[in-house]
Amino acid sequence: NAGVTQTPKFQVLKTGQSMTLQCAQDMNHEYMSWYRQDPGMGLRLIHYSVGAGITDQGEVPNGYNVSRSTTEDFPLRLLSAAPSQTSVYFCASSSDRGGVAFFGQGTRLTVV
Amino acid sequence: GENVEQHPSTLSVQEGDSAVIKCTYSDSASNYFPWYKQELGKRPQLIIDIRSNVGEKKDQRIAVTLNKTAKHFSLHITETQPEDSAVYFCASMEYGNKLVFGAGTILRVKS
Repeated sequence: NAGVTQTPKFQVLKTGQSMTLQCAQDMNHEYMSWYRQDPGMGLRLIHYSVGAGITDQGEVPNGYNVSRSTTEDFPLRLLSAAPSQTSVYFCASSSDRGGVAFFGQGTRLTVV
Repeated sequence: GENVEQHPSTLSVQEGDSAVIKCTYSDSASNYFPWYKQELGKRPQLIIDIRSNVGEKKDQRIAVTLNKTAKHFSLHITETQPEDSAVYFCASMEYGNKLVFGAGTILRVKS
């Protein structure tokens, strides 16, 4: 049972490039979400999904897109990378309402 | 939306002493409050959680208390050990299982 798997673990992008951060879970969880973690600011919600085909914005959605075509996968797309998007990104999933959230191992992204 | 405030931002204690971290939240509809521990370079890991129908929960050296009327909850660690040194985050869960996190507390346990 792998839990929540994120790829890649590290990535360096040039300003203006696009890329997709992958997130997959094998626990059949309905709820998935993406957070970014910056020093001194905790984890902030980017986008979330309550089930396949349903996504919504979190606290800091600008510059990011998501889709949820299957229960297992929830990719995060950076449309045109900016230095302000340098951060550590975590994907999380949870089961029913109020279920424990499990985090992936994180992706450290640097935009130069 | 929900807002979670966490204090203190850093906390240094002597090994064996107790540590207390406090959080307040704004949305009275929130009903699930987890605490996460994050070691350097690692993912957040759940250490304890509490739901709104419970006032206190204990797990060995760790306890969490919840005051729904005042909208605050606290993490208590007794008999602290060096391996307790980490960043601790409180969170409140909104609709859609969205977690709103506090800014974190850096706990240092000095031996």
